[in-house]
Order: sequence, then structure tokens, then C-alpha cells
Amino acid sequence: NAGVTQTPKFQVLKTGQSMTLQCAQDMNHNSMYWYRQDPGMGLRLIYYSASEGTTDKGEVPNGYNVSRLNKREFSLRLESAAPSQTSVYFCASKPTEWDEQFFGPGTRLTVL
Amino acid sequence: EDQVTQSPEALRLQEGESSSLNCSYTVSGLRGLFWYRQDPGKGPEFLFTLYSAGEEKEKERLKATLTKKESFLHITAPKPEDSATYLCAVRALNQAGTALIFGKGTTLSVSS
Repeated sequence: NAGVTQTPKFQVLKTGQSMTLQCAQDMNHNSMYWYRQDPGMGLRLIYYSASEGTTDKGEVPNGYNVSRLNKREFSLRLESAAPSQTSVYFCASKPTEWDEQFFGPGTRLTVL
Repeated sequence: EDQVTQSPEALRLQEGESSSLNCSYTVSGLRGLFWYRQDPGKGPEFLFTLYSAGEEKEKERLKATLTKKESFLHITAPKPEDSATYLCAVRALNQAGTALIFGKGTTLSVSS
């Protein structure tokens, strides 16, 4: 099992450009999450999907959209990137409601 | 408001010098306290889950304990390979998506 995979690993965007961060898990997990990690801020929840076909906002959703394409894949889209979205983005998944989360390796995004 | 505070922010130890990391939490209806390890440039790696006061779990040189207000991660006779950032997170009863609330982490450096 590859676990949770994320693409790309690194990305540089100019202000106003759009892009989609991809996440996939091969563990048949129901719930998937997107977090961002900034220095001195800890991990903060952007969006989550409790199960296939559902998505909901987390703590910091502004400027982002998500799609739960199927049970395996959960993508994060930046429609018009801003420098404030420079961060490291992590995708996570968990099998059932009360289990621990498993994290992907992250995408380091820089917006100039 | 649910929150997690970790201390110290950074800790330097000599190899073999035991110490403890602290995680204080305020949460309405704790449904699990989680410890993760994060190496530079990588995603968080799950270590432990604790559910009730008095519970303890061990893994190699690490031992996690839980009280009603805080958790400790005890590191016994650390080695340089234990150097990493240790993250504490809680799950609250009413937390959206049963997501985790993370502290900012403690960065541990162990020198030989």
C-alpha cells in the first residue's frame, strides 16, 4: 500500500494563477481532510470530506474549493492564488469516525 | 474554545538525557488525544492515541500519558534519531468532521 499520496511535491505560482492539488489514498478510508501548515501556526483544517459525496468547510476555507472525486481521491483547488496561500498543504485520511488520521507527504506551495 | 498548547517550543537534549514534552488542552468532550512525529519535509507520522485519564502507551523510548488537562510525552535515553517535531492533537465531541485540533509542536534536537 502506498498510503496517502499527494501531487505535486512542490509548486510555485504567480498571484492570480489557479491550480489543483491532488490527493489519493489506497486504504479504503471513508474520511479525507486537507490541512495547511504555516510556521508558528500549527496544522489548520481547510476542508474535509466525511464520506464519498460530501464535503464541508473547516477552520480556514476562504480561497479554496474541494472535490471528492470518488472514495480514493480528494482534490484541493486554488482558483486565484494569493501570497497568503503560501504554505505546506497536507492531505489526510482515516477509516472510521474515531480513528487516527494518516497523512500524506505534503505539497509545498509558494505564491509570488 | 477548544485549544491545544504545547511546551516547550524547542528542546535540546544530549543523547541519553531523558525529558518530557507537555501538551495542555481545553476541549469540550475529549474523544481522543493524539501524538504525531514530524520529520523535516515530511508529513506527520502517527505515534499514539489516548482516550481517558490515567491511560499510558509506550513505543520504544517514548511513553505517552494522559490526565484530565494535559498529556506528557516522556522520552527515555533519547538518541539522535529521535530528533523531530512532536505534534499533539485532540478530537472534540462536536468537532466538525471529527477532525483534529493541533498544537504548534515541540521541536526536539538530540545531540550525540
